[in-house]
Amino acid sequence: GAGVSQSPSNKVTEKGKDVELRCDPISGHTALYWYRQRLGQGLEFLIYFQGNSAPDKSGLPSDRFSAERTGESVSTLTIQRTQQEDSAVYLCASSPSGLAGDTQYFGPGTRLTVL
Amino acid sequence: KQEVTQIPAALSVPEGENLVLNCSFTDSAIYNLQWFRQDPGKGLTSLLLIQSSQREQTSGRLNASLDKSSGRSTLYIAASQPGDSATYLCAATGTASKLTFGTGTRLQVTL
Repeated sequence: GAGVSQSPSNKVTEKGKDVELRCDPISGHTALYWYRQRLGQGLEFLIYFQGNSAPDKSGLPSDRFSAERTGESVSTLTIQRTQQEDSAVYLCASSPSGLAGDTQYFGPGTRLTVL
Repeated sequence: KQEVTQIPAALSVPEGENLVLNCSFTDSAIYNLQWFRQDPGKGLTSLLLIQSSQREQTSGRLNASLDKSSGRSTLYIAASQPGDSATYLCAATGTASKLTFGTGTRLQVTL
């Protein structure tokens, strides 16, 4: 079946602009995660959605970052007033139940470059 | 706060050699430890997942071990091939299924 997909694959924007990144999880997966990978650094957790529960936003670096998820499907990560330090690869993952023992399946990522 | 460290940061070996990648974590209260492979321009591929109650997992030429008490995991790759060239990431699963990743080991297998 189809894996996790993300769009766009690459995004170049100017400092101060808003961007939206999209993630389509694997059908039927109730949990969805966003991570960020800056150059030379490890992946950082950003936000976690589990079913209809309130999302865990503890990893969002500032109030310029927000994310939404429609039911158990598509999620959008929005970055407002982008800064150069926001340049990174943004990875989305989904898992069947969100339990700690689940494998997370990752999408190919969106490479964001802020000029 | 969980911290995950991977050594070495980069490794180059000739084809056919066996190799070991190391991962250490500071908080032993983990649910599991995962090893991933990351290829340029692609997402992460899960290689092995070791539950906290397990000591090791094997898949083909890959073997991963876990020692929770010492906060260490190793990934052993037997008879390396050029196709194994990639960045290998380990990640510890804590509460709420959040993964804490290491910075990775970039592996190059040469002909």
